[in-house]
Amino acid sequence: DGGITQSPKYLFRKEGQNVTLSCEQNLNHDAMYWYRQDPGQGLRLIYYSQIVNDFQKGDIAEGYSVSREKKESFPLTVTSAQKNPTAFYLCASSQAGDEQFFGPGTRLTVL
Amino acid sequence: AQSVAQPEDQVNVAEGNPLTVKCTYSVSGNPYLFWYVQYPNRGLQFLLKYITGDNLVKGSYGFEAEFNKSQTSFHLKKPSALVSDSALYFCAVRALDLTGGGNKLTFGTGTQLKVEL
Repeated sequence: DGGITQSPKYLFRKEGQNVTLSCEQNLNHDAMYWYRQDPGQGLRLIYYSQIVNDFQKGDIAEGYSVSREKKESFPLTVTSAQKNPTAFYLCASSQAGDEQFFGPGTRLTVL
Repeated sequence: AQSVAQPEDQVNVAEGNPLTVKCTYSVSGNPYLFWYVQYPNRGLQFLLKYITGDNLVKGSYGFEAEFNKSQTSFHLKKPSALVSDSALYFCAVRALDLTGGGNKLTFGTGTQLKVEL
C-alpha cells in the first residue's frame, strides 16, 4: 500500500452523524483522490485535489466534503446528508498524470 | 466522456494454465491505460500501465497486457496462473492529454479471478 495511510480501518456511524476519514501520504505527491467502492460497481470518484488548497468534485460528491490544507493530508467527511454511506473508502495519490497509489482503505458501516 | 468495460464478472482458470482478463475502453484521443489488483479488504495495487510504444506491456508478478488500438482493448494476461493470483482485477483509463480532465481515472467494475488447483 506504499506510503499512504488511512485511518481508521473500520468505522461505525450512527444515523445523523458526521464522520471524518483520514488519509495521509509521504510520497510528496501533488494529487490526491477519494473513491468509494461498492460490490459490483467498481470505484467511483468522490473528490480529488491536484494541489494544496484546491479540490474538485468527482462523480458522486453529494453528501461528502473534503479539505486540502497540507500537501500530505486529504481528509474526507461523510455528512449526514449522505443517505447510503456504508461502503469501502479508498484514498489515492499520484504525481501529475502518473499511476495512482492507494491506501489500505476504511470500511464505513452505518448502524 | 471516458469509459471502461470489463465484460466478465469472474474468470476461472486452472493453476498452470494461461489466463486472460478482458478490458475495452473508450476515451477521447490517445489513452493512458492501467491495471490494478485488489486482495480482500485491501487497497488497489498497481500492476502495469500503457502510455505509448510497444503494444505489449510487462508488469509486476509476471503479468503483461496487450494494447490493441483498433479494438480499443487492453487485455491482461499471464502465461501460467498461480493460486495466489486469485484476486479482483481492475482496468482503468484516462485521456493521455490532461487538458480539461485533470488526472481523473475511470475504472471498470472489476473482474474476480479464481485460480484453482
